Amino acid sequence: AQSVAQPEDQVNVAEGNPLTVKCTYSVSGNPYLFWYVQYPNRGLQFLLKYITGDNLVKGSYGFEAEFNKSQTSFHLKKPSALVSDSALYFCAVRDPPQNNDMRFGAGTRLTVKP
Amino acid sequence: DTAVSQTPKYLVTQMGNDKSIKCEQNLGHDTMYWYKQDSKKFLKIMFSYNNKELIINETVPNRFSPKSPDKAHLNLHINSLELGDSAVYFCASSPQIPGWQDQYYEQYFGPGTRLTVT
Repeated sequence: AQSVAQPEDQVNVAEGNPLTVKCTYSVSGNPYLFWYVQYPNRGLQFLLKYITGDNLVKGSYGFEAEFNKSQTSFHLKKPSALVSDSALYFCAVRDPPQNNDMRFGAGTRLTVKP
Repeated sequence: DTAVSQTPKYLVTQMGNDKSIKCEQNLGHDTMYWYKQDSKKFLKIMFSYNNKELIINETVPNRFSPKSPDKAHLNLHINSLELGDSAVYFCASSPQIPGWQDQYYEQYFGPGTRLTVT
């Protein structure tokens, strides 16, 4: 079965600095990878996804993520963090065609300080 | 316009009661889901329906019963509520092209229903 790990519960960065939120995955085939963001008292919002093609994918709000097959990683990045980026970030994976469901990581709380 | 809506937003009830949470999506999607997010923010899928048919049924107590009257609605009924059922429940939907699996589509989430069992 597919699984995803977010090794950091919490990431703290200063506003204007680059940020990275880490994600590693385990699948039997070629993964479909997703990043979602959850603001307080809100549902999850889709940020970006990797299905195939270019390893660097760009998403909403200036976020991007790099798919690294050899390291089985899909880290979320942003060149310059904003205070408003503070939220809970979830990585998710699907493992088609074996599994139809989406598995979420435990989440990483990002805090951007002014 | 709200894409995925849930009612109620908050639900406080006592142990042993039966309650329902409703979900509606106006995106025209064929697949809908229920997730449970616990106090540690861990998100776990409970059910998935595609065109009113149950696709995924994770290890969930049979006190939980999803019902899909049509493809735009997926309701969650919970019998004999227990303290451990306290959580935030999210509904989600995703599109599906006929003949294809929908794995590569992102999911659209509702705002969540915070259930508190006392």
